This record gives sequence, C-alpha cells and structure tokens, in this order.
Amino acid sequence: QKEVEQDPGPLSVPEGAIVSLNCTYSNSAFQYFMWYRQYSRKGPELLMYTYSSGNKEDGRFTAQVDKSSKYISLFIRDSQPSDSATYLCATLEGGTSYGKLTFGQGTILTVHP
Amino acid sequence: DSGVTQTPKHLITATGQRVTLRCSPRSGDLSVYWYQQSLDQGLQFLIQYYNGEERAKGNILERFSAQQFPDLHSELNLSSLELGDSALYFCASSVGRRTDTQYFGPGTRLTVL
Repeated sequence: QKEVEQDPGPLSVPEGAIVSLNCTYSNSAFQYFMWYRQYSRKGPELLMYTYSSGNKEDGRFTAQVDKSSKYISLFIRDSQPSDSATYLCATLEGGTSYGKLTFGQGTILTVHP
Repeated sequence: DSGVTQTPKHLITATGQRVTLRCSPRSGDLSVYWYQQSLDQGLQFLIQYYNGEERAKGNILERFSAQQFPDLHSELNLSSLELGDSALYFCASSVGRRTDTQYFGPGTRLTVL
C-alpha cells in the first residue's frame, strides 16, 4: 500500500465548475502538505503549502487538511481551461532533518470550454 | 521558470550504458533533491544533498549515484542502464534542508532502448 493514495482520474469538468481533488495518507508522521500542478512535459510547480490541519485559501484555490481522517483536499473554484493539468498531492514528515517529499499518483484534470 | 536548470532535456541511450544528468539549483538554494517520475510508480524521491553532504536517500538503486559539488550544482549518475530506468528525472532545490518549498526543474527525459 502506498503511503499517499490519490485517484488518478482522469477528471473532466466544464469551465466554471468547482473541482475537488483528494488524497488520503497513512503515515501519522506527515505534518506538511502540499499541492503541486504539473503541465504536460513540465516540472511540478507548487500551488499550496499547509502545515498540520486546517484550511488555506489563495485566489481560486483552497487547500484543506484533516489530520484526524488523514485526508487532504484541493478545491478549485471557477475552473478555467488553463487549469487543465495533473495535480499532485505531496507530504513531508515532521521532526526529521531532511526534506523527502512523498507524492500521490497525481490526478489528471481537463477543464473543457 | 523556477530558476532550476537541468541538462540535457532528452537523453536516448542503450541498455548497459552510463549517463550523467546535471542540475543547477536556484541561486541561494543549498539543498538539491532528485526525483524519478514513471507512469507506474509516479514521482518518487531518490536522494537529497544539502550544502555538499548527503542528507537522505529514498528508493535509489545501487546502480545510481549522485553528488553535489562545491558550487552547489549536482549530478545524478545512472549506470548499467535497464529498460525500466526510462523515466523523467527531476531535480528540485530549496533554501534549507527540510520544510522550505522545493522548486522543480524542467526535468530530463531518459529513454533506454
């Protein structure tokens, strides 16, 4: 079983829809949670970075972490065709001396006009 | 543009050969990370260097090795290549060694024939 599970999709939505992307994890030591966006044939770019449980909002993007259920979510409001990409959740253990990121498999999202 | 550069962009080689991938981190970043992305395994952490010293190892094969030089650039050496080593190899960098944001390069696409 992978430490971070993510439904690979693909997910296809119309422009303007609210998109919900989710991951679950099994390692209780994970303390930091990230969402990366990866366009085809490009490197991942950081969208959201949260510590422990709670919500964080940045423009059309909202990240939620529920440590009690080990559940990570990313919501995209008013989705645009330019949001079409692969979305990767990532986690980082607390209390270590290194920065090893553990990634989910990635969800392929297509927003059609 | 993340500020992380990787060369070459593409590499095509034969089984049994050895290749070297190069990464230059963002200016001021002391940590360099190597990740491998394949269709079946997703994005997986290989190794981290911080200011020239190895900090953490992930699922890195014994045939693979890396180093970080005094000018902070890093090289990933892959030897005795197998078909299954075909993948995208990403380098990322961060200021510190643990929780700082990791910025990813554009990747090197390795094809082993």
